[in-house]
Amino acid sequence: DIQMTQSPSSLSASVGDRVTITCRASQRIGSYLNWYQQKPGKAPKVLMFAASSLQSGVPSRFSGSGSGTEFTLTISSLQPEDFATYYCQQSYRTPYTFGQGTKLQIK
Amino acid sequence: QVQLLESGPGLVKPSETLSLTCTVSGGSIRSYYWSWIRQPPGKGLEWIGHISNSGSTKYNPSLKSRVTISADTSKNQFSLKLTSVTAADTAVYFCVRELGQQPEFDYWGQGTLVTVSS
Repeated sequence: DIQMTQSPSSLSASVGDRVTITCRASQRIGSYLNWYQQKPGKAPKVLMFAASSLQSGVPSRFSGSGSGTEFTLTISSLQPEDFATYYCQQSYRTPYTFGQGTKLQIK
Repeated sequence: QVQLLESGPGLVKPSETLSLTCTVSGGSIRSYYWSWIRQPPGKGLEWIGHISNSGSTKYNPSLKSRVTISADTSKNQFSLKLTSVTAADTAVYFCVRELGQQPEFDYWGQGTLVTVSS
């Protein structure tokens, strides 16, 4: 299986901050990397697909980059509704696998 | 708008079989691939497996010997069966649509908590 490792596991930030979450794959996965946001008690919501493509309806303050084994999700200016848990997911090969999650908390 | 809704028992006894059904509205299951994903309380996400629009299946090797995913196109539903469950199978189970060849999971059900306990 392809292992996905996110860092940090948790992050405290303030409204207006710029934050970056990193995801590393245990082997090269091209650009087959998706990002999700999950709020408590809710299903995950896709934010980015193919590493850097913004899902329709997602604010442009979210951006993604990377290829191969290292990827980043950046939120340019945190809004109150962005405090949530973020997951990366590789779609290069089954079994599809997720990172362990990054919990973004209010400072 | 595609909507998915999981249904099934919320409590299953150890060693028994967990059975869930996902009803899809707003689109046909004859299109796309359809997955089950689970999330133990307070933990991360695990892909269980999927069924294709032609009925072929693929499972996570970690669960492969215990999992069956099937579809009923007449009811626009797909189902999950997980045998010989233990407390480790306690989780929120999501049914999900896959989009694309190297897919993203674009539509999710609300999730249903299944607890394994005697």
